Amino acid sequence: SQQGEEDPQALSIQEGENATMNCSYKTSINNLQWYRQNSGRGLVHLILIRSNEREKHSGRLRVTLDTSKKSSSLLITASRAADTASYFCATAWGGNQFYFGTGTSLTVIP
Amino acid sequence: EAGVAQSPRYKIIEKRQSVAFWCNPISGHATLYWYQQILGQGPKLLIQFQNNGVVDDSQLPKDRFSAERLKGVDSTLKIQPAKLEDSAVYLCASSRAATYYNEQFFGPGTRLTVL
Repeated sequence: SQQGEEDPQALSIQEGENATMNCSYKTSINNLQWYRQNSGRGLVHLILIRSNEREKHSGRLRVTLDTSKKSSSLLITASRAADTASYFCATAWGGNQFYFGTGTSLTVIP
Repeated sequence: EAGVAQSPRYKIIEKRQSVAFWCNPISGHATLYWYQQILGQGPKLLIQFQNNGVVDDSQLPKDRFSAERLKGVDSTLKIQPAKLEDSAVYLCASSRAATYYNEQFFGPGTRLTVL
């Protein structure tokens, strides 16, 4: 299966701390995307990184991609209570194949 | 711009009954996706349309699930007959084009409970 696996499955941190979650996948990809899901706003796209890129930033988000290890990481700096959500990586490969991972549940404690 | 609209938001049916979900994508978006998300799991792509043609339906259980996208805009997803394991949230998403580099915009989903 191409489906990504996020690690850890659950993460609990204090507000202001950084949160790091990882995603591993099995075959070559065209791009990897991170999405956030919470009850208030549903599933929302955060950032896309192409297979020829190694790092991207968007506000407090930093994503890295290591194609040799088939892995990606999402770093959220200076976390806020509003960051509490599930975070999914999704891989695009082949002819428009698209798979979501199993997700990391992040809880930010005020 | 208006987001992806889905209806109904909730549906409760008994097994072996039929159910249909409706999705209206963002105006001008060529590609429409239906996902199934079981509690505690990531969304699973069921079918992808580009305009009114099917791009990928490899994970759609075709013996009971069907989907159509009339005139390349609205779409309906139908389950007939429903099974207990179909209980899930059904998400619709759209994107501007079906390329490798596209952001998908998701609707609020329809929560289906099969009793």
